[in-house]
Amino acid sequence: SQKIEQNSEALNIQEGKTATLTCNYTNYSPAYLQWYRQDPGRGPVFLLLIRENEKEKRKERLKVTFDTTLKQSLFHITASQPADSATYLCALAPDYKLSFGAGTTVTVRA
Amino acid sequence: GAVVSQHPSRVICKSGTSVKIECRSLDFQATTMFWYRQFPKKSLMLMATSNEGSKATYEQGVEKDKFLINHASLTLSTLTVTSAHPEDSSFYICSAAPGQGADTQYFGPGTRLTVL
Repeated sequence: SQKIEQNSEALNIQEGKTATLTCNYTNYSPAYLQWYRQDPGRGPVFLLLIRENEKEKRKERLKVTFDTTLKQSLFHITASQPADSATYLCALAPDYKLSFGAGTTVTVRA
Repeated sequence: GAVVSQHPSRVICKSGTSVKIECRSLDFQATTMFWYRQFPKKSLMLMATSNEGSKATYEQGVEKDKFLINHASLTLSTLTVTSAHPEDSSFYICSAAPGQGADTQYFGPGTRLTVL
């Protein structure tokens, strides 16, 4: 069966450090992968989309990599700030529908 | 741009009653709208996909007679939870896409449903 795994449920880091989140998938061959941010009691907010022919993508302090051989995406938040504290979700669309991982909750300590 | 609203944001109802949740795309026309359900500390689970003017497509295990979806216009979709029970208590989130694909979806803020 198809599965999306985000390797840790929670990540606590010190302000200024880099947070690295992992998304692994099995039995998919996605054309692209997305990352979302979700705050408590709110809907997800789109952050980045990376396509299968792209190795890396950046947006401000965010960086995403996509390795289709390893079936893995890494999501980095550099120079982290307390305002980055949230749950981060990866999502794939094997067909026209999105499937989400369970998310990693990041807490940035001041 | 690309704002999606949901109403209500929170609703508490008695067991056996029906609840309607609205999802609106405020500044674009949504060819496709999606309805998700999320339990605490769990991922979003797609319930159904609706295209304007046609019947919704439900995911496996989702009861279409219990979760009625209407997509009457390009800016409005509604989810009605019929004869609600406590196990229907959850966080319901809609998203809207200007096209057919999933690569561009804009999510609403969610509706917290509590069934007593």
